[in-house]
Amino acid sequence: AQSVAQPEDQVNVAEGNPLTVKCTYSVSGNPYLFWYVQYPNRGLQFLLKYITGDNLVKGSYGFEAEFNKSQTSFHLKKPSALVSDSALYFCAVEGQNFVFGPGTRLSVLP
Amino acid sequence: GAVVSQHPSWVICKSGTSVKIECRSLDFQATTMFWYRQFPKQSLMLMATSNEGSKATYEQGVEKDKFLINHASLTLSTLTVTSAHPEDSSFYICSARVLSGRPSYEQYFGPGTRLTVT
Repeated sequence: AQSVAQPEDQVNVAEGNPLTVKCTYSVSGNPYLFWYVQYPNRGLQFLLKYITGDNLVKGSYGFEAEFNKSQTSFHLKKPSALVSDSALYFCAVEGQNFVFGPGTRLSVLP
Repeated sequence: GAVVSQHPSWVICKSGTSVKIECRSLDFQATTMFWYRQFPKQSLMLMATSNEGSKATYEQGVEKDKFLINHASLTLSTLTVTSAHPEDSSFYICSARVLSGRPSYEQYFGPGTRLTVT
C-alpha cells in the first residue's frame, strides 16, 4: 500500500529565510510525486510534480522540490519565504491510487 | 491552464434535504473526475472516482446511496448528498484528470464547496 508522510504539522519561518516542508513516501514501483498548496476555504493549487528526469523540480511561485530515491523523500523548498506563502501544503503520491499526505501548515512571519 | 469549477461554492441546507454539487472542467475534457471530502484542519479524503459513462467507484466506508455521483459527460460530474444530516457538513472538492494523447498524472482541482447542514 502506498502512503505519504509529512512529519511536521506546522512550520514557522521568518520572511526572507529559506523554507523546507518535508515529505516522505512509500510506494511500490516508480513514484509520481506532487505538491499542492491550499489557501483558506479554497481548493488545491498545483505547485509542481516529479514524474521522471532531474531530481530537482522547479514549480510555481519560486518553489522547488528535490526527489531523493534512496531516502524516499520529496521535500519542498523555497530560497526566500514570503508572508503570502503562508498556507496549507500537501504532498501527494500516485501509485495505484492518488494519496495525499496529512498536510503541513506553513506560517511565514513578517 | 486547465480550470475546474464547482457550483455552488457554498450551500446551507436543512437536515433531510438533498443537495447537488456540480464539477465542471471548463477548457479540457476529463475522462476521470474525483470527489474528495475535507474536514477542518485535515487532509483530503478520497470519496469516489468517477469515469464518464460508467458507475462511480466508491472508497471503503463511503455510502454510495448517500453520495450519488453522476458523470454524464467529459466535462461534468455531479455529487448529490441525499437526506443530508449535520454530520455531512464538510468541504467537498472535486478534481479532474486531463484526457490527452499521452498519460497525464496531474489532477486539477476545483475551488471546493462548503456544505453546512442545519
